[in-house]
Amino acid sequence: NAGVTQTPKFQVLKTGQSMTLQCAQDMNHNSMYWYRQDPGMGLRLIYYSASEGTTDKGEVPNGYNVSRLNKREFSLRLESAAPSQTSVYFCASSVRASSHSEQYFGPGTRLTVT
Amino acid sequence: LAKTTQPISMDSYEGQEVNITCSHNNIATNDYITWYQQFPSQGPRFIIQGYKTKVTNEVASLFIPADRKSSTLSLPRVSLSDTAVYYCLVGPNSGGYQKVTFGTGTKLQVIP
Repeated sequence: NAGVTQTPKFQVLKTGQSMTLQCAQDMNHNSMYWYRQDPGMGLRLIYYSASEGTTDKGEVPNGYNVSRLNKREFSLRLESAAPSQTSVYFCASSVRASSHSEQYFGPGTRLTVT
Repeated sequence: LAKTTQPISMDSYEGQEVNITCSHNNIATNDYITWYQQFPSQGPRFIIQGYKTKVTNEVASLFIPADRKSSTLSLPRVSLSDTAVYYCLVGPNSGGYQKVTFGTGTKLQVIP
């Protein structure tokens, strides 16, 4: 299993440009998440999808939109990038095992907006 | 979402046991406590989760007192490879879905 994959790994945008960050998981997980992590900070939840067909705002949703395309894929779109969106973006998916619930994270996308 | 407070950083010598305490005074009845580990340039990785008392797995133990307002992650005999940031999260579980908040974490530095 590849786990959680994210594309691209790196991206540089100019202010005002748009782009979509892609995320896919092959673990048949119901729930998926998008986080951002600024330097020296913890992760902040942007959007999440508790199950296929549903999406909800997290802590910092402004400037972003998401699409849960199917059970495997959850994309994050920046319609008009701003320098404040320079960050590392992590996608995650989660499952409830017999003893606990666990989020699995992708490798991250490093985005710079100039 | 419950707010958590943890030390910003800790140092430990190799081979020692490390205990990282997290405070979560406003934890709700249906909230679980989860710890993650993050290495530089990587996504976080699950360590352990518990609801009450003590939970142990192959890498760590989690101690939760009866009032659940705090928890302690215990890492036995740390090695240099345990140098990382450790996050304490509090939030509900519902069929595998977790809505949790990552704080700034505790940066653990293991010294040879």
